[in-house]
Amino acid sequence: EDKVVQSPLSLVVHEGDTVTLNCSYEVTNFRSLLWYKQEKKAPTFLFMLTSSGIEKKSGRLSSILDKKELFSILNITATQTGDSAIYLCASQGGSEKLVFGKGTKLTVNP
Amino acid sequence: NAGVTQTPKFQVLKTGQSMTLQCAQDMNHNSMYWYRQDPGMGLRLIYYSASEGTTDKGEVPNGYNVSRLNKREFSLRLESAAPSQTSVYFCASSDRNPGGANVLTFGAGSRLTVL
Repeated sequence: EDKVVQSPLSLVVHEGDTVTLNCSYEVTNFRSLLWYKQEKKAPTFLFMLTSSGIEKKSGRLSSILDKKELFSILNITATQTGDSAIYLCASQGGSEKLVFGKGTKLTVNP
Repeated sequence: NAGVTQTPKFQVLKTGQSMTLQCAQDMNHNSMYWYRQDPGMGLRLIYYSASEGTTDKGEVPNGYNVSRLNKREFSLRLESAAPSQTSVYFCASSDRNPGGANVLTFGAGSRLTVL
């Protein structure tokens, strides 16, 4: 059965800190790994990583995929209070199904 | 452009009552999904539909039924609600992008409480 495990489940930092969120996955016929940010409402898409795109960057956020070791990390540098959210990782295999991890709740204190 | 629209946004039921959550998307996506979210549990897939006319079970299908009415609409039905089904429900839709992966677009969520 496909499985996604995120760590840590919860993280509290101060503004300006750098954080690393982890995601390991086990999925048959791996196709993609996705990162989402969830604030009060629905998750919003951050990054998609595939065999042909194993590193993505957008502003202070970046993500890499290690297909050999079956994990991904999401880095956030110079954190701001607006980065406080739940960060969700999801993986997709050979079907249209996406399996999510439990999420990492990030709290950035001023 | 509405994206994914879910109704109702809030609902309170008594144990044993039935109800249907409605979802519609206007992005001409082939795939649609229903997830539930409980504190500390992330998003768990209930059912998904890879195309009009097909549905498949996800991780937690027990107690739910779905209907893919047409390409736009995917409904989730609780036949006999139980307190364990108290949750926030998200509908999502997607298509495969040129890279072969599905990027989901989510609705705003429906908060269901079963007393």
